[in-house]
Amino acid sequence: AQTVTQSQPEMSVQEAETVTLSCTYDTSESDYYLFWYKQPPSRQMILVIRQEAYKQQNATENRFSVNFQKAAKSFSLKISDSQLGDAAMYFCAYCGGSNYKLTFGKGTLLTVNP
Amino acid sequence: EAGVAQSPRYKIIEKRQSVAFWCNPISGHATLYWYQQILGQGPKLLIQFQNNGVVDDSQLPKDRFSAERLKGVDSTLKIQPAKLEDSAVYLCASSGGGQGEDTQYFGPGTRLTVL
Repeated sequence: AQTVTQSQPEMSVQEAETVTLSCTYDTSESDYYLFWYKQPPSRQMILVIRQEAYKQQNATENRFSVNFQKAAKSFSLKISDSQLGDAAMYFCAYCGGSNYKLTFGKGTLLTVNP
Repeated sequence: EAGVAQSPRYKIIEKRQSVAFWCNPISGHATLYWYQQILGQGPKLLIQFQNNGVVDDSQLPKDRFSAERLKGVDSTLKIQPAKLEDSAVYLCASSGGGQGEDTQYFGPGTRLTVL
């Protein structure tokens, strides 16, 4: 079974600075997808970024980028120029198998300090 | 494009009562998921539908939980009877369409409190 591990329960960053959230996963599959989702307090889960495992190029979405290391099974999220609105719980998720089932990590709570 | 809709947003019930949640996926999305998210944890898949057929319900407590997706669009998740440990946020997600089956989009969730 696939597992996703987020080793940082909480992180904090100063506004305008850069922060990196860690995620590792375990799988025997060669073809899969990885995601970072953001969940603000009492609000819905929002897709931040998506990475296809067969692509070597790291995904980027504006201030959000990933460092995907397939051999190490590592998938970290970098947030540049952090903003107050980035404060949320961030979940790393693995998607694989024929039914595209999502397996989530336990999340990292990000605080942005003004 | 409208997102995933869920209702109600909040529900408080006594243990042993029954409750039902409703979900309307993004138009054109064939796959619909129900997740349970207990406070402080990541979502856990309860059931996955492809059109109106069940793809995966291996983690659905079938003695008390049931779900259906009539006509392959809206879905209802029911709990009967509820237990204290069912207190959680129930999330609905859908996938398919232009982004493909791998990317799921989530609704706002229903926060259930069982007293």
